Amino acid sequence: DVVMTQTPVSLSVSLGGQVSVSCRSSQSLVHNNGNTYLSWFLQKPGQSPQLLIYKVSNRFSGISDRFSGSGSGTDFTLKISRVEPDDLGVYYCGQGTQWPWTFGGGTKLELK
Amino acid sequence: EVQLVESGGGLVQPGASLKLSCVASGFTFSDYWMSWVRQTPGKTMEWIGDIKYDGSYTNYAPSLKNRFTISRDNAKSTLYLQMSNVRSEDTATYYCTRGTTVLDFWGPGTMVTVSS
Repeated sequence: DVVMTQTPVSLSVSLGGQVSVSCRSSQSLVHNNGNTYLSWFLQKPGQSPQLLIYKVSNRFSGISDRFSGSGSGTDFTLKISRVEPDDLGVYYCGQGTQWPWTFGGGTKLELK
Repeated sequence: EVQLVESGGGLVQPGASLKLSCVASGFTFSDYWMSWVRQTPGKTMEWIGDIKYDGSYTNYAPSLKNRFTISRDNAKSTLYLQMSNVRSEDTATYYCTRGTTVLDFWGPGTMVTVSS
């Protein structure tokens, strides 16, 4: 299975600040069809995960442009700018390139 | 509006069987692959498996393949997860999700607790 390693485990940020979350995979996430199926999810307290970013850098419908994804191969980054209270929760990366899907351990974003 | 609503969770004894359901609405269910993902009490996310839009093909996490079965009824817009011989480590919140390579919508989840 592809191992997804997320860092850091937790982040403290001031409102209006900027943060980055890193996700590294144990194997390349480039699919045979040329796509890279790396997604980012946010799980707010008491809720189910919601898709933020798919295929590395594509924002899902309704997701603010304060969220951006980048990376390639095995190294990926989620950046959140101008952090708002509604951004708090746990962020997960996940890969759908190779079965089985695997997820990172999560990064908890808290207020400083 | 896309909605996925799981049901069927609860307290179950080790070794028992349980069938979870997920009713979909707001999209053409028969056009989409569907998946199940679970989250342990420690918040670890684990993919269980998925099923092709017409139900003709399924994939499973190797560790669960022999005990879990995914099926669907497109006429009822419903996804199922049959769990057999459940163990304490199956205690988790089970999510129904739309898609296969991209999981774009998730249900609120149904909690399964395996305990005697």
